[in-house]
Amino acid sequence: AQSVTQLGSHVSVSEGALVLLRCNYSSSVPPYLFWYVQYPNQGLQLLLKYTTGATLVKGINGFEAEFKKSETSFHLTKPSAHMSDAAEYFCAVRPLGGYNKLIFGAGTRLAVHP
Amino acid sequence: GAGVSQTPSNKVTEKGKYVELRCDPISGHTALYWYRQSLGQGPEFLIYFQGTGAADDSGLPNDRFFAVRPEGSVSTLKIQRTERGDSAVYLCASSKQENTEAFFGQGTRLTVV
Repeated sequence: AQSVTQLGSHVSVSEGALVLLRCNYSSSVPPYLFWYVQYPNQGLQLLLKYTTGATLVKGINGFEAEFKKSETSFHLTKPSAHMSDAAEYFCAVRPLGGYNKLIFGAGTRLAVHP
Repeated sequence: GAGVSQTPSNKVTEKGKYVELRCDPISGHTALYWYRQSLGQGPEFLIYFQGTGAADDSGLPNDRFFAVRPEGSVSTLKIQRTERGDSAVYLCASSKQENTEAFFGQGTRLTVV
């Protein structure tokens, strides 16, 4: 069965610092990979996704993630944190093909301080 | 509407009562999903509709949970004999086709007291 592990339920960075949110997945076959962001009292918003092709994926708001098959990882990064990045971030996987039966990690809450 | 709409946004009910949660998907989206997000956890899949039919209901926790989508648009998640453990945020999502991007609503926060 597929599973997703997000290391660190809380991450705190200074404004302008690098953001690194970790995600590892467990799957016999590399799945489709996603990062979602959830702002307070809002729904989940897709940040970026990997399906096939280039392993470095760029998303909205300056975020990017790299799929590393050998490490079964899909870590999310942003070079310079902004106060508005404070939110909860979820990594998710989905089997190849098929429908949006997403398996989510437990989430990482990102705090950005001045 | 422009996005997925869920009503009510908050629902408080007494243990043992029946509740209905509504989801209005994006117009034209044939696929609809329900997820449940418990405190401190990521969303968990409950059920997937393609059109009017439930194509995958493997995530429904027990037979107290039921969902319908009679006209292939609006969906209702129904919970009978609610228990305190049912307290969670119930998220609805829709996508144009089954394998295209899913758009999520803001959720309904259900509290069973």
